Amino acid sequence: DAGVIQSPRHEVTEMGQEVTLRCKPISGHDYLFWYRQTMMRGLELLIYFNNNVPIDDSGMPEDRFSAKMPNASFSTLKIQPSEPRDSAVYFCASSGGQGMSYEQYFGPGTRLTVT
Amino acid sequence: GNSVTQMEGPVTLSEEAFLTINCTYTATGYPSLFWYVQYPGEGLQLLLKATKADDKGSNKGFEATYRKETTSFHLEKGSVQVSDSAVYFCALTPNAGGTSYGKLTFGQGTILTVHP
Repeated sequence: DAGVIQSPRHEVTEMGQEVTLRCKPISGHDYLFWYRQTMMRGLELLIYFNNNVPIDDSGMPEDRFSAKMPNASFSTLKIQPSEPRDSAVYFCASSGGQGMSYEQYFGPGTRLTVT
Repeated sequence: GNSVTQMEGPVTLSEEAFLTINCTYTATGYPSLFWYVQYPGEGLQLLLKATKADDKGSNKGFEATYRKETTSFHLEKGSVQVSDSAVYFCALTPNAGGTSYGKLTFGQGTILTVHP
């Protein structure tokens, strides 16, 4: 299996621009998670889905952030408009599947820089 | 609610030293416990896990035992290598039921640096 795939790996954008991060979970997994990691705040859970349905979005920092999961093999995290304080590494992770194991498998992350 | 507390870092050791990173948790019922490792520039990787009391998880020379009586899951390695330098995260998930089912609660992470 290719593991969790994220794109792009690096994104540099200017303040005010729209940013879209993409994630392809491991086939057969029914949970998908979006995290943000910074030096100051550590690892934060933003939102997670079960069977493509958002379960908990309480970690989404504000309305500028939105996430979708249109099907079992694709999810997006969008920031509009972006701000310098959004600069961080964003991770996608997936879990579940046959046997219902809840260990999460992380993607390599997208490093976002907003100037 | 659920929470995980790790010993504060950073931890700096010489090669071949003994490693312990403490982890304690608060949770209802019987959660599953995990240690994840993050190498520089990479995502988190599962290092080991334990799903019930007294289970011992082990991988790559690392071990951790699920201690229900002390609500702990300390990570140990008898002889660390330079390549073990990374950030280590302790985490838990409820085993069944509740609104947190499937969701991991992470500790704050402990930075380990091993010198030759």
